[in-house]
Amino acid sequence: DQQVKQNSPSLSVQEGRISILNCDYTNSMFDYFLWYKKYPAEGPTFLISISSIKDKNEDGRFTVFLNKSAKHLSLHIVPSQPGDSAVYFCAASPLKIIFGKGTRLHILP
Amino acid sequence: DAMVIQNPRYQVTQFGKPVTLSCSQTLNHNVMYWYQQKSSQAPKLLFHYYDKDFNNEADTPDNFQSRRPNTSFCFLDIRSPGLGDAAMYLCATSGRQGRGNNEQFFGPGTRLTVL
Repeated sequence: DQQVKQNSPSLSVQEGRISILNCDYTNSMFDYFLWYKKYPAEGPTFLISISSIKDKNEDGRFTVFLNKSAKHLSLHIVPSQPGDSAVYFCAASPLKIIFGKGTRLHILP
Repeated sequence: DAMVIQNPRYQVTQFGKPVTLSCSQTLNHNVMYWYQQKSSQAPKLLFHYYDKDFNNEADTPDNFQSRRPNTSFCFLDIRSPGLGDAAMYLCATSGRQGRGNNEQFFGPGTRLTVL
């Protein structure tokens, strides 16, 4: 049973617009959440994280929002750039990291 | 640059023929992980080492073993690969284990093909 769910396998966004990637989780014990980005033929690289004591964390163009009551988090990228085209994994960490299946983001010129 | 290196990047083996995948790190991290990722699936943790302490996931098949001879190196041994073991194998490291900031640094992966 998936504990971290990314229900959109892919997403296409126009360059310059906002990309919103969504993630749901089932375990209320999860207290730390991460987003990883993966290019083809490379391993995932850490992008941004958020602790459950916060509801928002921002780093440049990337913002992660956490809604604990809904067990939902989202990653906002604004403005979207061509180099943002990649697979994005949502992950949750009680003690070990549990990954979602990923969302492939295409930034359209 | 400090990094996580995996060799080889691509490995082809025959059904039932043992294979070893290698991971090394220059980050001097305590924790090293092995993940299996099949197409369009989430990376699945197989096991991890905290220093020399080995932690196996409950659902990791016995066919998969690991060795960590020193801080820098960790090996994944697949004793009798089956067709279902064809996947990308990711090695990762982190500087700490447990709750809180658990950022992991990943290698590029080894893609295993089983013929």
